Amino acid sequence: AQSVTQPDIHITVSEGASLELRCNYSYGATPYLFWYVQSPGQGLQLLLKYFSGDTLVQGIKGFEAEFKRSQSSFNLRKPSVHWSDAAEYFCAVATGYSTLTFGKGTMLLVSP
Amino acid sequence: NAGVTQTPKFRILKIGQSMTLQCTQDMNHNYMYWYRQDPGMGLKLIYYSVGAGITDKGEVPNGYNVSRSTTEDFPLRLELAAPSQTSVYFCASRTGRPSSGNTIYFGEGSWLTVV
Repeated sequence: AQSVTQPDIHITVSEGASLELRCNYSYGATPYLFWYVQSPGQGLQLLLKYFSGDTLVQGIKGFEAEFKRSQSSFNLRKPSVHWSDAAEYFCAVATGYSTLTFGKGTMLLVSP
Repeated sequence: NAGVTQTPKFRILKIGQSMTLQCTQDMNHNYMYWYRQDPGMGLKLIYYSVGAGITDKGEVPNGYNVSRSTTEDFPLRLELAAPSQTSVYFCASRTGRPSSGNTIYFGEGSWLTVV
C-alpha cells in the first residue's frame, strides 16, 4: 500500500532564510505527488504537483519541489521564507484510482 | 467560482445524535471524497465516490455513511455521534479526465465537536 512520510513534525526557520521540507513516499508505480498548505482554520490549498516530465516543479508562492525517484523523495523548497508562509504543509501521493494518501504534516514556524 | 462548498462550518453534537455534513461542487467532477483530519495524523479517507450512484469505503469508514444521488452532492452522515468523531472534515472533488493530473480540490472544512 502507498504511504507518505514527513519526518519533521515541526520546523522553525528565520524569516528570509531558505526552507526545505522533506517528503518520502512508498508507491509501486509512477507516483502522482502533491504538496498542500493549510493555514490555521482553513482548508487545504494546492502548492504544486508532479505527475510527469521535468522533475523540478514550480508552484505558487515561490515554492518548488524536486522529484527524485532513486530516493523516493519529493522535497519542498523555498529560497527565502516570509512570515506569511507559517502554516502546516502536507505531502500526498495519488493512487491510480485517484484517492490521495497524505503524510502527517509538517508545521512551519517562522521566526523574526 | 464556488468550487467545493461544505456546510456547516462548525457544529457541536451530543453523544448519540445524528447529523449530515453537506458537500456540493459545481465543477462537474466525477470523483468526490470525504476526509477527516485529526491533529498530528494528517488526513484519513472516510468514503469516496467515482460517480453518481457509486460509493466506496476509504480507510476509516466506521460510524459514517454516504450517498451520491447526483454528480454535485456528496453528503456524509453520522448516525450515532461518538466523541471519537470529533474532528475536522474535508470534502474534496476531482475531475475524471486524465488531463487534470489528478488534482483534488478541497472545501474549507467542517469543524465537528461531539460532547
